[in-house]
Amino acid sequence: GQNIDQPTEMTATEGAIVQINCTYQTSGFNGLFWYQQHAGEAPTFLSYNVLDGLEEKGRFSSFLSRSKGYSYLLLKELQMKDSASYLCAVMDSNYQLIWGAGTKLIIKP
Amino acid sequence: GAVVSQHPSWVICKSGTSVKIECRSLDFQATTMFWYRQFPKQSLMLMATSNEGSKATYEQGVEKDKFLINHASLTLSTLTVTSAHPEDSSFYICSARGGGEFEPQHFGDGTRLSIL
Repeated sequence: GQNIDQPTEMTATEGAIVQINCTYQTSGFNGLFWYQQHAGEAPTFLSYNVLDGLEEKGRFSSFLSRSKGYSYLLLKELQMKDSASYLCAVMDSNYQLIWGAGTKLIIKP
Repeated sequence: GAVVSQHPSWVICKSGTSVKIECRSLDFQATTMFWYRQFPKQSLMLMATSNEGSKATYEQGVEKDKFLINHASLTLSTLTVTSAHPEDSSFYICSARGGGEFEPQHFGDGTRLSIL
């Protein structure tokens, strides 16, 4: 079966760095997306990785290792507004998005 | 860019009522639109995928006659929940994608549906 694993919840301190991991087993791979979802709101697109390596976009970076079936989202200089759920989604060989359950990130002052 | 508008944002209605939700891509042409539902503290569950001018493809377990999807143009898709019951209460979210499969999906703000 197809599976996306990410931690249910993480806590970090304002100003710090946090890494949210995502591992996947899917039938084929056509890229991995990260989305941010604030409580009661729809997801917003953060990043897309299809090749191995690190993609940096401001305070957020996303890393992919296809051989390990692994990705992480790195958030630097954490702000209170970063408190949200972070969803990992993998596009399989049929171009279907397989969604993880999301990681709820709690930022403390 | 890539703005998706979803309307209404909140619906409360009696059991047996049919509810229509609209999803519009405001500044791009959406070749494909997706409808999701999300229960509290759970992940997104894809209900159906629709391409403009063709019938929607429903996920396993989603009733086609209950959740009617129309994708009449490159900027508009509608989801009608027919004869809604309390168990249909959920957060319904649409997304739209322009271009090919590798383009990200852009989400509407969601519709919170409460059936009394």
